[in-house]
Amino acid sequence: NAGVTQTPKFRVLKTGQSMTLLCAQDMNHEYMYWYRQDPGMGLRLIHYSVGEGTTAKGEVPDGYNVSRLKKQNFLLGLESAAPSQTSVYFCASSSPASGQGAHGYTFGSGTRLTVV
Amino acid sequence: DAKTTQPPSMDCAEGRAANLPCNHSTISGNEYVYWYRQIHSQGPQYIIHGLKNNETNEMASLIITEDRKSSTLILPHATLRDTAVYYCIVRSARMDSSYKLIFGSGTRLLVRP
Repeated sequence: NAGVTQTPKFRVLKTGQSMTLLCAQDMNHEYMYWYRQDPGMGLRLIHYSVGEGTTAKGEVPDGYNVSRLKKQNFLLGLESAAPSQTSVYFCASSSPASGQGAHGYTFGSGTRLTVV
Repeated sequence: DAKTTQPPSMDCAEGRAANLPCNHSTISGNEYVYWYRQIHSQGPQYIIHGLKNNETNEMASLIITEDRKSSTLILPHATLRDTAVYYCIVRSARMDSSYKLIFGSGTRLLVRP
């Protein structure tokens, strides 16, 4: 059981380039989330989705867009990358029926993005 | 969601119990206390959660005070592999909260040999 898979694991972008980070989960979870983590800091919520076709802003949404066209996938897009977006990005999924207890999260292993 | 306060760092000896405190004085009645940990640069890992009663699982115990304003995560026999950042998070159980987890800075636990 793969759980939550993030691709790519590493990426280097030049300022102004665009890219899409993919998060895929195979647990049939309704809710999915994108976080970023800067060095020495906790995770900050970028965007989240409570179901297919729905998305909402989190704590730090500026500079990012998301889409949830299929229940199992949640895409995070950077239209014009900036050095301030250098970070580690984590995806997570959740469901009231998850085995981790009421509404527990399963996290992916992260995508390390560097913008130069 | 209520804010939490944790000490920035702690240490304990291998084999001893690690007791990690968390203050959440503004917690409301429908909010759970969750604990996650993050080992090195991996994704956070769920440990335990509770509402009012003390909870125990194979990883840890969670002690919540009667007034629910603070809690303690207990790792009964800490090992070197328990060295990690531990996050205490208060999260609403309401459906319209989307079950969002808002992370603070956490406690960096160092387990010494």
